Amino acid sequence: QVQLVESGGGVVQPGRYLRLSCAASGFNFSNYGMHWVRQAPGKGLEWMTVIWYDGSNKYYGDSVKGRFTISRDNSKNTLYLEINSLRAEDTAVYYCARGNPYSSGWPLDYWGQGTLVTVSS
Amino acid sequence: DIQMTQSPSSLSASVGDRVTITCRASQIISSYLNWYQQKPGKAPKLLIYAASSLQSGVPSRFSGSGSGTDFTLTISSLQPEDFATYYCQQSYSTPNSFGQGTKVEIK
Repeated sequence: QVQLVESGGGVVQPGRYLRLSCAASGFNFSNYGMHWVRQAPGKGLEWMTVIWYDGSNKYYGDSVKGRFTISRDNSKNTLYLEINSLRAEDTAVYYCARGNPYSSGWPLDYWGQGTLVTVSS
Repeated sequence: DIQMTQSPSSLSASVGDRVTITCRASQIISSYLNWYQQKPGKAPKLLIYAASSLQSGVPSRFSGSGSGTDFTLTISSLQPEDFATYYCQQSYSTPNSFGQGTKVEIK
């Protein structure tokens, strides 16, 4: 079955760097675009970034442009999110999600359980 | 960027009620509109994609409609397990923005 498992979250000091990972299994990872979505405590969902199935294209939301980098390693079935210069407002649960190219509109049909990032000194 | 606005932000309803949630896009997005359900402490779950297509495994009491800028999610007969927060999302263009959410609570 399809599984997405995020890791790498935790308590981090402001200004530091963090890399999140999302390990995929149960499907052909190299055929799917992958997204990161975050949710601050008590708030709604914020779409952050997407990477195409082959890594050839990446798009970012305005709030994360410049400090966040999405990447993938199809040989390891793993998606990554690098975050530089962490800020308090980056505190959130970070979800990876699969974009399904076989359903009209490429909906996010599978999600990981999320990893919590807390930015605090 | 496309802004997504949901209404209402919250609602109270009883088991068996018909519930309707609306989502409006700031520009035309054709039918590139998805609906998700999220329960506390859990990841979102896809309910409806392409405005009106029911995701596999989702009960038929959920339905979606609309195109262009105005969309609707309807729950025909609210069940206890449907109390949750619902989000719309446009996948017409990046950033693939979400609405602010609609919390469905027990009356």
